[in-house]
Amino acid sequence: IVLTQSPATLSLSPGERATLSCRATQSVITYLAWFQQKPGQAPRLLIYDVSKRAPGVPDRFSGSGSGTDFTLTISSLEPEDVAVYYCQQRSDWPLTFGGGTRVEIK
Amino acid sequence: EVQLLQSGGGLVQPGGSLRLSCAASGFTFGTYAMNWVRQSPGKGLEWVATISVRYDTYYADSLKGRFTISRDNSNNTLYLQMSSLKAEDAAIYYCARDKRAKTSRDWFDTWGQGSLVAVSS
Repeated sequence: IVLTQSPATLSLSPGERATLSCRATQSVITYLAWFQQKPGQAPRLLIYDVSKRAPGVPDRFSGSGSGTDFTLTISSLEPEDVAVYYCQQRSDWPLTFGGGTRVEIK
Repeated sequence: EVQLLQSGGGLVQPGGSLRLSCAASGFTFGTYAMNWVRQSPGKGLEWVATISVRYDTYYADSLKGRFTISRDNSNNTLYLQMSSLKAEDAAIYYCARDKRAKTSRDWFDTWGQGSLVAVSS
């Protein structure tokens, strides 16, 4: 299952809404997660099962979608949200990640 | 505190071998499936392998036969044995724990700090 993320880069001002997309080549049902990776750090689980926030994740992060089309939304961008965001599916082997979306602050 | 502490990275010649280790603490290691994920320089994340609590193993198709994932529950340690290494295997390798116990295909909720593997003559 190939996951395609768009856009590759998102440049927004603080307080703006960020919308990141992840599209799968076949249905992953609801077996989709989002990870955040800041420079020099290991990835961090943000959202799992499409829309469940991992412990400690601020509520400005939300996930939605089903089947093949999924969205990660950051409702009001904060400077600390600068990172690369990856989607990942666990519907079937091999487990796969999307190519990532880089979120930058203008 | 749940922790994964990695060791064993380094520089290896093409065709050589290397073993990565991932020491777990703060949870009952033997009840969780464990995983390896890698990230080539400047690139995205790539799942490498998973080992279940019953020692079932799963690999990325491109790595089968060259990489072996294993676990030692008595020492709370996960391993990745890499052989016939190629330049394209150069990456940061992360170990990661499944989110829920006693599953074999779950989300990666805890990650190691990463081990850098360089392949060059």
